[in-house]
Amino acid sequence: DIVMTQSPLSLSVTPGQPASISCKSSQSLLHSDGKTYVFWYLQKPGQSPQLLIYGASNRFSAVPDRFSGSGSGTTFTLKISRVEAEDVGVYYCMQSIQLPPTFGGGTKVEIK
Amino acid sequence: QVQLVESGGGVVQPGRSLRLSCAASGFTFSSHAMLWVRQGPGKGLEWVALISDDGSNEYYADSVKGRFTVSRDNSKNTLYLQMNSLTTEDTAVYFCARGGVGPIPIDYWGQGALVTVSS
Repeated sequence: DIVMTQSPLSLSVTPGQPASISCKSSQSLLHSDGKTYVFWYLQKPGQSPQLLIYGASNRFSAVPDRFSGSGSGTTFTLKISRVEAEDVGVYYCMQSIQLPPTFGGGTKVEIK
Repeated sequence: QVQLVESGGGVVQPGRSLRLSCAASGFTFSSHAMLWVRQGPGKGLEWVALISDDGSNEYYADSVKGRFTVSRDNSKNTLYLQMNSLTTEDTAVYFCARGGVGPIPIDYWGQGALVTVSS
């Protein structure tokens, strides 16, 4: 199985400041079709996960533009340009280039 | 709007069975692969099973293979997860979700159904 390793485990951020989460995969997530099969999710407290980013860098509908995804191959990053109170929760990366799809362990984001 | 509503969760003894259902609405159910993802207490997300849009292909995590069966009834817009030979390790919130095949993201999730396996 492909292992997805996230860092840091947790992050405490002052509102209005940026935040960055790293995700590294044990194998390349670049498919022969040219697409990168990595996704980012946010699970707010008490809620189900919600899709933020697909294809490494594409924002899902209605996702604020303060969220951005980047990376290629085996190294990926989710950035929040200016953290807001509503951004608290656990962020997960996920790969689906190979079965079974696997998730990173999660990064908990809190507000200072 | 897309809605996924799970039902059928509860408390069950080890070794027993339980069936989860997921009622879908707001989209053409028969055009989308569907899946189940679970989350143990205080833990991360674990993919459990996936079924193709027409139900002809099923895929399972090794941890549930041979015990769980995913199915769907496209005439009823409903996804199912039959769980047999349950163990305490299966205790989790089970999410029904849409998508999750190759480049297609898991784009909508249900609110989850809690399954507790305990004697």
